[in-house]
Amino acid sequence: NAGVMQNPRHLVRRRGQEARLRCSPMKGHSHVYWYRQLPEEGLKFMVYLQKENIIDESGMPKERFSAEFPKEGPSILRIQQVVRGDSAAYFCASSHLDSPDEAFFGQGTRLTVV
Amino acid sequence: AQSVTQLDSQVPVFEEAPVELRCNYSSSVSVYLFWYVQYPNQGLQLLLKYLSGSTLVKGINGFEAEFNKSQTSFHLRKPSVHISDTAEYFCAVSRGGYNKLIFGAGTRLAVHP
Repeated sequence: NAGVMQNPRHLVRRRGQEARLRCSPMKGHSHVYWYRQLPEEGLKFMVYLQKENIIDESGMPKERFSAEFPKEGPSILRIQQVVRGDSAAYFCASSHLDSPDEAFFGQGTRLTVV
Repeated sequence: AQSVTQLDSQVPVFEEAPVELRCNYSSSVSVYLFWYVQYPNQGLQLLLKYLSGSTLVKGINGFEAEFNKSQTSFHLRKPSVHISDTAEYFCAVSRGGYNKLIFGAGTRLAVHP
């Protein structure tokens, strides 16, 4: 049973470009969470999604950031017009409908904006 | 609103010595408590969790933690550490319902030979 898969592991973008981060949850998991870890800081909640629904986006920046979890395929975190301050590690976690309090984390995507 | 304070940003310790990583939380409601470990350039791995029941929780790799409601603490302990325990440790809380975790800033455990 594969764990949470994130790709790419490392992503380099120039300022102004778009970044797309992908997350495939564990098999059977219908809940996906995105967290951001800035250098030397803990993880900060960004958004919680179920299939085709955004449940809680209270941690998402108001502009340039969006997330989706379509009926088919991975969850996508999209950052438009990236800036240097977006450089961080972005982690995805997933949980099962019956165990929403236990989430399993992916290895993260490390975004570097140059 | 909940918050988590990890009192030590770095903890150096010699191999085979005991260690305690401190975590305090604040919340006006009941919370669930977690400890995660992050090895360099890796994701987070769940060490242990407290949802209810016994206040002493045992986790993987010989770690345990004790929930103390009166002191709002959830300190992580290991009686004898190994070099391989060198990593970043994060304490986190959630209100339950779904896994919206509030993390502390982390404690870097450095085990020296």
